Amino acid sequence: EVQLVESGGGLIQPGGSLRLSCAASGLTVSSNYMSWVRQAPGKGLEWVSVIYSGSSTYYADSVKGRFTISRDNSKNTVYLQMNSLRAEDTAVYYCARQRVELITGTPPYFDYWGQGTLVTVSS
Amino acid sequence: DIQMTQSPSSLSASVGDRVTITCRASQSISSYLNWYQQKPGKAPNLLIYAASSLQSGVPSRFSGSGSGTDFTLIISSLQPEDFATYYCQQSRSTVTVSFGQGTKLEIK
Repeated sequence: EVQLVESGGGLIQPGGSLRLSCAASGLTVSSNYMSWVRQAPGKGLEWVSVIYSGSSTYYADSVKGRFTISRDNSKNTVYLQMNSLRAEDTAVYYCARQRVELITGTPPYFDYWGQGTLVTVSS
Repeated sequence: DIQMTQSPSSLSASVGDRVTITCRASQSISSYLNWYQQKPGKAPNLLIYAASSLQSGVPSRFSGSGSGTDFTLIISSLQPEDFATYYCQQSRSTVTVSFGQGTKLEIK
């Protein structure tokens, strides 16, 4: 059974930093496309970042230059380092596996999600 | 970037009703379109991938169709557990994934 467990959220002042973790079991993060998706209170879903199995990383324009995605293969964990936090970064942050089937060419989709961790940026 | 627009934004329906939610992409995305259901306080749950493929374990009353820019999610006969918010998501580019704004399905 696949499980993704996020941690590291909390209350942080504007301009501060926070690191989120996503511990995976039942899948190997280094062999998968792992993303962070966030949801501001009462709002819709916003994709934040992805790390490919080959280690390439990509970011939404709203977080580029402030957030960094990484992984620790030995811990089977994905991280999101968030710097220069702003009030508009307040959200529940979900870790999700983006299934990519290169051989069949099936369009990618998010099939496993964590339970989310709440980040509140406020003074 | 590809923009996704869902309609309606909210919808009231009764148990047993047939419900249709639409999603339009700002440019052609072929069949790179997925649908998710989200209940309050929970993570999204994949319903449909590749526009029309039913995810394992999802009831057959859910179906999806479309290609190019226009897509549809249909719930053939609403059940009490279907009242939730639904999101479409394009995956034409894994680099810049985007979601629709959501459709909240409420009990009439």
